[in-house]
Amino acid sequence: DIQLTQSPSFLSASIGDRVTFTCRASQDISSYLAWYQQRPGKAPKLLIYAASTLQSGVPSRFSGSGSGTEFTLTISSLQPEDFATYYCQQLNGYPYTFGQGTKLQIK
Amino acid sequence: QVQLQESGPGRVKSSETLSLTCTVSGGSISRYYWTWIRQPPGKGLEWIGYISYSGSTKYNPSLKSRVTVSVDTSNNQFSLKLSSVTAADTAVYYCARERGGSYGMDVWGQGTTVTVSS
Repeated sequence: DIQLTQSPSFLSASIGDRVTFTCRASQDISSYLAWYQQRPGKAPKLLIYAASTLQSGVPSRFSGSGSGTEFTLTISSLQPEDFATYYCQQLNGYPYTFGQGTKLQIK
Repeated sequence: QVQLQESGPGRVKSSETLSLTCTVSGGSISRYYWTWIRQPPGKGLEWIGYISYSGSTKYNPSLKSRVTVSVDTSNNQFSLKLSSVTAADTAVYYCARERGGSYGMDVWGQGTTVTVSS
């Protein structure tokens, strides 16, 4: 299975901050990577697909980059509704796998 | 827009079969890939498997011997069966739509909690 390692596992930040999360794959997955946001008690929400394409309706403060084995998700200016857990997922090989998540907390 | 809704028992006895259904509304099930994902309490996400619009299936090898995903196109539904459940199968179960390739899962159900009890 392709392993995805997210860092950090926890991040504390303030409203208006710029934050970046990292997702590293155990092998080359090209651009077959998606990012999701999950708020407590809710289903995950697709933010980014194909590593860098913004899903329709997602605010432009979210952006993704990377290819191969290293990927990043950036939020340019944190809003109150952004405090959640973020997961990456690879869709390059079966079984699809997720990273362990990064929990973004208010400082 | 397309919406998904999971349904099924919230409690299953150990060693029995977990059965869930996902109803697709606002769009046809005869396209895309229809997926099941689960999340144990306090933990991360695990991909269970999918059934495609053509009826082909892919399963997570960690569950493959116990899982079956099927589709009922006449009712715009797809289903999950997981046999011989144990406490480790206690989780929130989500159904989701995948458009294929690198598109990710763009539509999700709200999730349903299944508890395995002895």
